[in-house]
Amino acid sequence: QVQLQESGPGLLKPSGTLSLTCAVSGGSISTSHWWTWVRQPPGKGLQWIGEISHSGSTNYNPSLKSRVTISVDKSKSQFSLKVTSVTAADTAMYYCMRGDMVTGFLDYWGQGALVTVSS
Amino acid sequence: QSVLTQPSSVSGAPGQTVTISCTGSTSNIGAGYEVHWYQQLPGIAPKLLIYNHNSRPSGVPDRFSGSKSGTSASLAITGLQAEDGADYYCQSYDSLSGVIFGGGTKLTVL
Repeated sequence: QVQLQESGPGLLKPSGTLSLTCAVSGGSISTSHWWTWVRQPPGKGLQWIGEISHSGSTNYNPSLKSRVTISVDKSKSQFSLKVTSVTAADTAMYYCMRGDMVTGFLDYWGQGALVTVSS
Repeated sequence: QSVLTQPSSVSGAPGQTVTISCTGSTSNIGAGYEVHWYQQLPGIAPKLLIYNHNSRPSGVPDRFSGSKSGTSASLAITGLQAEDGADYYCQSYDSLSGVIFGGGTKLTVL
C-alpha cells in the first residue's frame, strides 16, 4: 500500500517561498506514475498545481507555472514543491498524490499540509 | 470558475438515488479524456471513488457508479446512506489547462 506524507512549514510571510516535501513509502517512486500536487483553499475546491515523473518530466498549471517548481529525489523517495512570491491567496491545504500516467486518476493521496500565508 | 461544472449541492433521503453531473467541453471530456470522481468527507483528504468514468477501486461499494457521454459525465449513488454525506469532485484533463477539477458538489442526506 503506497503511502504519501507531506511536510514543511505551516506559516509563511507574504512574498516568501513555500516549500513542501512529499515522502513516498510502501512502493517505489520510480514507477510510471505522475507524482502530483493539488491544493485546496479553505472552504473551496481542488486546484491542480503540477506533476513530475520519476525521470523528471514536469507539467504545471498554466496559471501557476511562473511561480512553481516541482522536483524529485529518487534516492530519498520523495518529491518537492516550491512556490515563490506567495500571497494570502496561496493559503490552502496542500496535498501530494500519485497519478496514473495513462488516464490521470489520482489513486493515493497524502493527508495534506495546511500552509497559511500571513504577515 | 472551474472548467468542469458541477451543481453546488444535491440532497436525497436515505435509500433514494441521487445523480451528480459534471459538464465539460470539447477540449476536455468531449475530446475523449477520461473522467474520475472523488469523495471528500469533512476534514480529510479526497478519496478516489470512480476512475475511467465507470470503474470502482477495490472497497468502493457498487452503490456508486459513473457514466460519460459527449461533453458530460455523471455520478450516481443508489441506496443513499447517511455516511454518503460528503463533497464530490469530478476530474478530467484539458488540452489547454492540464488536469482539471469540477467545483465540487455537496451531498446532503436528509
